[in-house]
Amino acid sequence: NAGVMQNPRHLVRRRGQEARLRCSPMKGHSHVYWYRQLPEEGLKFMVYLQKENIIDESGMPKERFSAEFPKEGPSILRIQQVVRGDSAAYFCASSPLEIYEQYFGPGTRLTVT
Amino acid sequence: GQQLNQSPQSMFIQEGEDVSMNCTSSSIFNTWLWYKQDPGEGPVLLIALYKAGELTSNGRLTAQFGITRKDSFLNISASIPSDVGIYFCAGRHGTNAGKSTFGDGTTLTVKP
Repeated sequence: NAGVMQNPRHLVRRRGQEARLRCSPMKGHSHVYWYRQLPEEGLKFMVYLQKENIIDESGMPKERFSAEFPKEGPSILRIQQVVRGDSAAYFCASSPLEIYEQYFGPGTRLTVT
Repeated sequence: GQQLNQSPQSMFIQEGEDVSMNCTSSSIFNTWLWYKQDPGEGPVLLIALYKAGELTSNGRLTAQFGITRKDSFLNISASIPSDVGIYFCAGRHGTNAGKSTFGDGTTLTVKP
């Protein structure tokens, strides 16, 4: 059973460009979570989605960030007009039910130049 | 917002020594989780705790869910070089079951 897949693993964007990060959950998992990690810090929750629904977006910045988890295909975290402060590792996790453990992907390291 | 205080921030130990790290919270959690993260990788779940007072082992690792539900500790016995990495605690509330709040991590270095 393949684990959580994230791509790309590394992404470089210039200031003002858009970044799209993809996450394919484990087979049979319908819940996806996105976290952001700055260097030498813990993971900070961003958003929790089920298929086609945003359940909790209390950790998402109000502007430029959006997330979706369509009926078909991977979950997408989209960052518009990136700034240097967006440089971080973005991790996706999935779970089969919301009270079960979350399994993390390898992350996407975003660098904004 | 929620705050998890994890200590120590870093540890340098000799191979074979035991290790202890802990997390304290300003609020109650219904689930405590301990993860290990290797460089360039995502966190891997080590132990999950669901009941206050629960003591759970996974090989050389032992973790406890504090009675007050505001703290947890992780012990590693007889450390080996592959224990090197960053260890994170995380807490989850019952009403926000999807969201985990993470500590800032304990970086463990094991000298052979």
